Amino acid sequence: QKEVEQNSGPLSVPEGAIASLNCTYSDRVSQSFFWYRQYSGKSPELIMSIYSNGDKEDGRFTAQLNKASQYVSLLIRDSQPSDSATYLCAVGFQKLVFGTGTRLLVSP
Amino acid sequence: GAGVSQSPRYKVAKRGQDVALRCDPISGHVSLFWYQQALGQGPEFLTYFQNEAQLDKSGLPSDRFFAERPEGSVSTLKIQRTQQEDSAVYLCASSYPSGGGIDTQYFGPGTRLTVL
Repeated sequence: QKEVEQNSGPLSVPEGAIASLNCTYSDRVSQSFFWYRQYSGKSPELIMSIYSNGDKEDGRFTAQLNKASQYVSLLIRDSQPSDSATYLCAVGFQKLVFGTGTRLLVSP
Repeated sequence: GAGVSQSPRYKVAKRGQDVALRCDPISGHVSLFWYQQALGQGPEFLTYFQNEAQLDKSGLPSDRFFAERPEGSVSTLKIQRTQQEDSAVYLCASSYPSGGGIDTQYFGPGTRLTVL
């Protein structure tokens, strides 16, 4: 079992819809969780970080953390074609463990 | 200010050659990380420095991989006797200890290494 698991996708949503991306992790003592966006051929860019149970909102993005169930999710409201990218879930403090990423396609 | 920079952006090496990849972190960032990203995969941790001290090198795949950060700023990742399986994008990231628990890692553009 991989330490951080994500559905590889692609996840296809129409413009304006809510995109829901999920991630599970195996290390129960993990404290810090991150969502990075990576456009093709580019480097990862931090979207959200979260370390407390519950929701954290930033603009169109909401990260949700449930430590008891060992999952973290990212909701993107009012999805735009420019949101089309691979979304990487990462867990850890200094040494980050990444999932393989979920490819999101937002169609106009 | 300027972000993390890496050079070269692209490197083609013949199998068996040695390569050196450079990372310039964001000015003032104490921590520096190297990751390896194979095609279609997420980045995988290689090693981590705090200032000039290499605190974790558990991800280096073999003794052919060596990293250094002698003055606590610029870092070099060296790969000796390159093999085809070393072909990947090598990402460098840096962070500044916030003291608040979560230190954001900012990634450079990466060096794409192709070993023929």
